[in-house]
Amino acid sequence: TQLLEQSPQFLSIQEGENLTVYCNSSSVFSSLQWYRQEPGEGPVLLVTVVTGGEVKKLKRLTFQFGDARKDSSLHITAAQPGDTGLYLCAGPDSGNTPLVFGKGTRLSVIA
Amino acid sequence: DSGVTQTPKHLITATGQRVTLRCSPRSGDLSVYWYQQSLDQGLQFLIHYYNGEERAKGNILERFSAQQFPDLHSELNLSSLELGDSALYFCASSVVPGGTQYFGPGTRLLVL
Repeated sequence: TQLLEQSPQFLSIQEGENLTVYCNSSSVFSSLQWYRQEPGEGPVLLVTVVTGGEVKKLKRLTFQFGDARKDSSLHITAAQPGDTGLYLCAGPDSGNTPLVFGKGTRLSVIA
Repeated sequence: DSGVTQTPKHLITATGQRVTLRCSPRSGDLSVYWYQQSLDQGLQFLIHYYNGEERAKGNILERFSAQQFPDLHSELNLSSLELGDSALYFCASSVVPGGTQYFGPGTRLLVL
């Protein structure tokens, strides 16, 4: 089973600050996905990155897939309290369809 | 709302008991996946069904079993429950294997 390591595990910042969270692996992934999960809810897909070096933007969120397809990052600009949640990265396990998830970064944005 | 429904939302039971969790996938989705989420292990894949047939197994205990019915809903059966089985159980569905997975709201299981 391929592993995904996420850092930091916890992050607490003030509204308006910028932040970056990371998702790393020693294995190559064909694609990586980022999800956000709020308390009492299931994970919601934010983006899928497929090509090495790819950058995708979703409003204030910027996602990057590493050139070697072993890592990814999520950058949030001017964080808002609504960004609070658990951010998970996931990818297909050894080419299979089930997803392997990182343990997530729990973000808290304080107004 | 992802379109995936799970019942019940909460379940409290005792050790040694058996429970059944139910999942209805999004309309048109043929694949159903079950995941377990605990604080220390994160989200772990349990099992995948496609159009009624088992496609892949993950870290699913022998005490756990699942099936997908002709109407495509799925059930996850957990038996001889232990304290460590307390977790959130999520169902996800996709149109085809490898497609985008949409997650349900989960069932929170507490074993006392």
